[in-house]
Amino acid sequence: DQQVKQNSPSLSVQEGRISILNCDYTNSMFDYFLWYKKYPAEGPTFLISISSIKDKNEDGRFTVFLNKSAKHLSLHIVPSQPGDSAVYFCAASNFGNEKLTFGTGTRLTIIP
Amino acid sequence: DSGVTQTPKHLITATGQRVTLRCSPRSGDLSVYWYQQSLDQGLQFLIQYYNGEERAKGNILERFSAQQFPDLHSELNLSSLELGDSALYFCASSAEQGALADTQYFGPGTRLTVL
Repeated sequence: DQQVKQNSPSLSVQEGRISILNCDYTNSMFDYFLWYKKYPAEGPTFLISISSIKDKNEDGRFTVFLNKSAKHLSLHIVPSQPGDSAVYFCAASNFGNEKLTFGTGTRLTIIP
Repeated sequence: DSGVTQTPKHLITATGQRVTLRCSPRSGDLSVYWYQQSLDQGLQFLIQYYNGEERAKGNILERFSAQQFPDLHSELNLSSLELGDSALYFCASSAEQGALADTQYFGPGTRLTVL
């Protein structure tokens, strides 16, 4: 049972444009969400997070939006840069339970 | 560099064998997590330790076991290996345990190949 889903395995975006990565979840107990970025041969790197009490969190070029009623979150990258090319994982957890449930990832390619 | 180290980077072994993967958490972090990433899959949570005690278990097979030592490093033991155990194994660490899920920092992973 895939509780966190990233339905787009890959996405290509022109440099300078907006990249939007999507993630859906089914477990209504999840209340903390994270995005990780992963380069080949490296471990995932934390990018940005959001708790369920907020619907938006911004950090520089990265913004995460949370729609609790739709059980959907998205990561916006503006403007997209070649160094953003990587696999992006969304992850979720619930209060008092530290384990993260990950999606299967979206490979983002930024085209120069 | 996340500050989490994992050894070895690569491991090639045969079916039926036993291997040990090692993880050193970031300085000061008390929680260690193990994840498995099979081909084209997301990371699957295996097990968590906090300050030497097992805290949470995920989809960890009975052939697998882990422990966290007094110096806080952790080892994941995989025995009676099967072809399907071939995967990337990641260790992560975080500072806190309890009320709020804290950011987990990942090591570079150990790639296990079972032939």
